This record gives sequence, C-alpha cells and structure tokens, in this order.
Amino acid sequence: NAGVMQNPRHLVRRRGQEARLRCSPMKGHSHVYWYRQLPEEGLKFMVYLQKENIIDESGMPKERFSAEFPKEGPSILRIQQVVRGDSAAYFCASSRGGEPQHFGDGTRLSIL
Amino acid sequence: AQSVTQLGSHVSVSEGALVLLRCNYSSSVPPYLFWYVQYPNQGLQLLLKYTSAATLVKGINGFEAEFKKSETSFHLTKPSAHMSDAAEYFCAVSEASGGGSQGNLIFGKGTKLSVKP
Repeated sequence: NAGVMQNPRHLVRRRGQEARLRCSPMKGHSHVYWYRQLPEEGLKFMVYLQKENIIDESGMPKERFSAEFPKEGPSILRIQQVVRGDSAAYFCASSRGGEPQHFGDGTRLSIL
Repeated sequence: AQSVTQLGSHVSVSEGALVLLRCNYSSSVPPYLFWYVQYPNQGLQLLLKYTSAATLVKGINGFEAEFKKSETSFHLTKPSAHMSDAAEYFCAVSEASGGGSQGNLIFGKGTKLSVKP
C-alpha cells in the first residue's frame, strides 16, 4: 500500500515564477492537509481539503497561495510569483476521517 | 488557542541510556496528542498517539509517552537509546481524534536527538 506521494522532491524556482507542488494521498484517504516547515521550526498548518472542497484555509497566506483537491487527480498547492521567503519544505498529509495523518516525504522548495 | 512547547531543541544521550523528550501542551478542550519522528530529508512518521483511552501510550520502536493532565505534559521516553533513534522528534496536539476530520495538527518546534556511541 503506497504511502502519501509528493512530487517533485526538490523544486528550484526564480523569484517571480510559479511553483506547483503535488500530493497524492494514500489509497482510501479523502482528507488532505498541507504544512510548511521553515528551518529550525516545526510544521505549520496551511490548509485542509476534502475532495473538491476547502475545509479550512486559516493557515494559508492571503495572497499568492492557493490549493485544490479535484475529484480526479492529486492535490495541488500553487504558489504564484514566488519570493525568497517561500523557501521551505512543504509537506502533505492524508487521513481517513478520525484517523491519524500520514505524511509524505515533502517537497523542498528553493527560490533563487 | 492550542499550543505545544518542546523543552530543549537538542538532546544528546549515549547509546543504551534513557531517552526523555519533553512536551507540554495547552488546550481548552481535552486534547489528542501525538509524537512524530522525522529522519533527514523524509516526512514525519507517527510514533504514538494519545486519545484518552489510557494515560500510558506505547508506540513503535520501543517508545512510550505518558499523559499527565495535572502537568499538561506528554513526555516521550525510551529506556535504552539506539544509534538508529537519532532523528528529530515532534510533539503535536489536536482537538480532533485523529488530528484529522475536524482539525489540523499544532506542532512543537521539535527536538533533535543525537545518540553517541
């Protein structure tokens, strides 16, 4: 049973470009969470989605960041017009309702 | 608001020694508590979870944690450290049973565990 799959593992972008991070949840999981990890910090919640719905986006920056979890395909975290401060590791987690979250290996985003 | 405090950003122990990683939480409702481990360049792996069934929780790899409501603590222990335990450990709290469905996880800043031979 494959775990949570994130790609790419590493992503390099120049300032002003767009970054797209993908997350395929574990089989049977309909809840997806995105977290951001800055150096020397724990993970910070960004957004919680179920299929085709954003349930909680209280941790998302108000501008440039968006997330979706379509009926078919992976969840996407999109960052427009990236800036240096967006450099971080972005983790996706998935779960069934009421069960613990399982994490992917993350996408390391570097901004030049 | 929920929060988690992990005392000590770095802990170093000798192989075979007791491991004690501290976690204190604040929550306005009975919390659900988790310990995760992160190896370099990997995601987080669930070690154990507390969901009010028993105050002493046993997890994987010989780790266990005790929920103490009076101290608002959920410290992680292992009787004898192994070299393979070297990693970063995160304590997390949620108001939802699985850290899912109705809630997200609030993480501490993590504790890096080093194990000396």
